[in-house]
Amino acid sequence: GAVVSQHPSWVICKSGTSVKIECRSLDFQATTMFWYRQFPKQSLMLMATSNEGSKATYEQGVEKDKFLINHASLTLSTLTVTSAHPEDSSFYICSARELGTRVILTQYFGPGTRLLVL
Amino acid sequence: AQSVTQLGSHVSVSEGALVLLRCNYSSSVPPYLFWYVQYPNQGLQLLLKYTSAATLVKGINGFEAEFKKSETSFHLTKPSAHMSDAAEYFCAVSDGKSGNTGKLIFGQGTTLQVKP
Repeated sequence: GAVVSQHPSWVICKSGTSVKIECRSLDFQATTMFWYRQFPKQSLMLMATSNEGSKATYEQGVEKDKFLINHASLTLSTLTVTSAHPEDSSFYICSARELGTRVILTQYFGPGTRLLVL
Repeated sequence: AQSVTQLGSHVSVSEGALVLLRCNYSSSVPPYLFWYVQYPNQGLQLLLKYTSAATLVKGINGFEAEFKKSETSFHLTKPSAHMSDAAEYFCAVSDGKSGNTGKLIFGQGTTLQVKP
């Protein structure tokens, strides 16, 4: 089946630094990728929708300058947390929509990246 | 706007007992509904989905769910719980307004504990 990977799986960084998280569709092409944030014991909150070759669409309340999203190819989307602060510590999960099919039937999730900002 | 409510943030059952995880939705358009499972420190795995075909949907690992429009529910069941079923379960509805963008709205999640 379709596989989505994320890298890194764990990252610890100092406050003020930037962190890049990669989301890759390994065996399919993805026109759309989604980025979610999950706090401990809570549900997933959609941060943004990333479309290949165009600007990402951010959900209300998500700072686009804080969370930079790039979807440069059909298999890779990146989320960069700029000038990270401790409150950005969270579990970030991406999902990918397969090219050419109805998204509701073909959205696959990555394993997540845990970010800890000291 | 669409929303999902999962009744019960924590459910505990004995191994071999029936599993019932409740999900109610709100939608102004015909919904597409999903159940996902999440194991600790992992992403989400799709258990099953309802996409306006059969109202009783069978998924992986022996789970099934029934879409009941009159009750706006999509409860998840499994006849006999296994220890390996212990995880976090999320119900989700697609955002009909977004059409094929695939935007998902998740419920709060239910932690399933299985006692030996």
